[in-house]
Amino acid sequence: DQQVKQNSPSLSVQEGRISILNCDYTNSMFDYFLWYKKYPAEGPTFLISISSIKDKNEDGRFTVFLNKSAKHLSLHIVPSQPGDSAVYFCAASGSGGSNYKLTFGKGTLLTVNP
Amino acid sequence: GAGVSQSPSNKVTEKGKDVELRCDPISGHTALYWYRQSLGQGLEFLIYFQGNSAPDKSGLPSDRFSAERTGGSVSTLTIQRTQQEDSAVYLCASSLGRWQETQYFGPGTRLLVL
Repeated sequence: DQQVKQNSPSLSVQEGRISILNCDYTNSMFDYFLWYKKYPAEGPTFLISISSIKDKNEDGRFTVFLNKSAKHLSLHIVPSQPGDSAVYFCAASGSGGSNYKLTFGKGTLLTVNP
Repeated sequence: GAGVSQSPSNKVTEKGKDVELRCDPISGHTALYWYRQSLGQGLEFLIYFQGNSAPDKSGLPSDRFSAERTGGSVSTLTIQRTQQEDSAVYLCASSLGRWQETQYFGPGTRLLVL
């Protein structure tokens, strides 16, 4: 069973507009969430994270929102730029002895059109 | 500074052969991870090394897979008697320690088993 789900395989937005990438999780033990960005032929690059004690974390153009009751998080990119075009992975880890294990979603391909 | 490096970047092998994949973590990082990304899937945790502690091998899919980490630095992932379903991108990551530390990924090794 897939514990982290990214239901949109792809998303296309215009440059300058907002990109919203969504992620749902099923495991209530997850308490730390991350977004990674991946360009072709490169490894994933850490983008932003959020702990379950917060509902929002912001870093420049990137903001992550967490809704624990809905087990949902989203990544907002404002304004979107063509260089943001990449695959975005949502990941989660839990508390306790295996907190190093990241569980990833399948990714969403974001295309930002000039 | 130098990031995580992996070699080879691509490997084509015949079914039944053994392969070795190498990972050089970031200097000073005590934690090292291996993940696998099959086509259209998210990253799947394989194994975790932390310092001199016993590795967490819980993600290895079969006993054909093994990994070692020598001297607390370089790691080798070995797949014996490769099967076509082993075809995937194998990603290595490292981090400073254990508690929800950011994992930095290498570019991966793309393995194709014919």
